[in-house]
Amino acid sequence: AAGVIQSPRHLIKEKRETATLKCYPIPRHDTVYWYQQGPGQDPQFLISFYEKMQSDKGSIPDRFSAQQFSDYHSELNMSSLELGDSALYFCASSLGLAGVNTGELFFGEGSRLTVL
Amino acid sequence: QKEVEQNSGPLSVPEGAIASLNCTYSDRGSQSFFWYRQYSGKSPELIMSIYSNGDKEDGRFTAQLNKASQYVSLLIRDSQPSDSATYLCAVNNNNDMRFGAGTRLTVKP
Repeated sequence: AAGVIQSPRHLIKEKRETATLKCYPIPRHDTVYWYQQGPGQDPQFLISFYEKMQSDKGSIPDRFSAQQFSDYHSELNMSSLELGDSALYFCASSLGLAGVNTGELFFGEGSRLTVL
Repeated sequence: QKEVEQNSGPLSVPEGAIASLNCTYSDRGSQSFFWYRQYSGKSPELIMSIYSNGDKEDGRFTAQLNKASQYVSLLIRDSQPSDSATYLCAVNNNNDMRFGAGTRLTVKP
């Protein structure tokens, strides 16, 4: 079965550069969530989209932006990268916002960002 | 105070023992509670969900919820080395999921 696809899997950037992470949800899933997980840390909710509209916002820095496109894939854009942005970025998808109520969030393998 | 708190761990149990993982949450309005398992370098995967007070059993796993005490736990019976992972407690908060820091469990053969 198709899973959540994230790309790139690994990314190395310099400070002050920009980075874009992509997430392709499970087919028919219309809701996407972005999480940031630092080393030894819990996943921190960044932002979510439902039907191409932002549905909730967490601890996403102003330097970051995201959107969901007509094919439901989502992109997380990060600018003016800082050393502290080094983390594993997970995307999860669900069918409707009910995924949050059922816990049925399906996670991708994550994109590991390293900022040097 | 973090919204979801877990034992810092690490927790080490011998094979065949019961592993007990605990979690407290701050938002009394939370309605849905979950346990995710995360192997090192991998993504979290849902293993248990619980919505009402009491116990919920699924195979070797039992989730316990006490809303009055704002407490959720996960018991793993007959622990196996393959259970060694980080266990994340997650709580539904409005339209997003809030995670605890996770408890690292090691099951020793």
